[in-house]
Amino acid sequence: KQEVTQIPAALSVPEGENLVLNCSFTDSAIYNLQWFRQDPGKGLTSLLLIQSSQREQTSGRLNASLDKSSGRSTLYIAASQPGDSATYLCAVTLTSGTYKYIFGTGTRLKVLA
Amino acid sequence: DTGVSQNPRHKITKRGQNVTFRCDPISEHNRLYWYRQTLGQGPEFLTYFQNEAQLEKSRLLSDRFSAERPKGSFSTLEIQRTEQGDSAMYLCASSPGGGPRGETQYFGPGTRLLVL
Repeated sequence: KQEVTQIPAALSVPEGENLVLNCSFTDSAIYNLQWFRQDPGKGLTSLLLIQSSQREQTSGRLNASLDKSSGRSTLYIAASQPGDSATYLCAVTLTSGTYKYIFGTGTRLKVLA
Repeated sequence: DTGVSQNPRHKITKRGQNVTFRCDPISEHNRLYWYRQTLGQGPEFLTYFQNEAQLEKSRLLSDRFSAERPKGSFSTLEIQRTEQGDSAMYLCASSPGGGPRGETQYFGPGTRLLVL
């Protein structure tokens, strides 16, 4: 059974700091991995999608890497800003016919001004 | 088309009442998913439709839950005889299907349910 774990569960950093969020999964047979942002009480905003054949994706100050063999992904946020404060979720897609997402429990990030 | 929409956005009900949520996917997306998210947890898969066919149901979906997608367009999720444990955010997502990029799911804003 695929399990997704995110560490740390919560993180508080001063503005301007670079930071790394971690995601690990137990079964390397994934179709893709996606990072989401969720603001309190809101839905999910997709940040980056990494296909299983890719090693990393970049968008602005965000960079996500994927190491399928070790079951790990990291989300790197450069020069953090208070507006980055949110919960960050990673999800893997199984290689089954439904392509449903298996989510981690998230990392709650607070960037202090 | 601006994305996946869900209605209502918030629902407060008393224990034992029935509630129904609606999801309108992005047009021409033939895959539709329902997830449930409780406080402090990541979303958990509930059920999946390809067009009008419900192809997978999670064991989380008890007999009190039913989902439909008539004509492969919008979908409804009904909870009968609600319990306090049903309080959660219910998220809907859709994807176009057909290849790696086609499996990217686009999420709606969710329906937050509170059962008193």
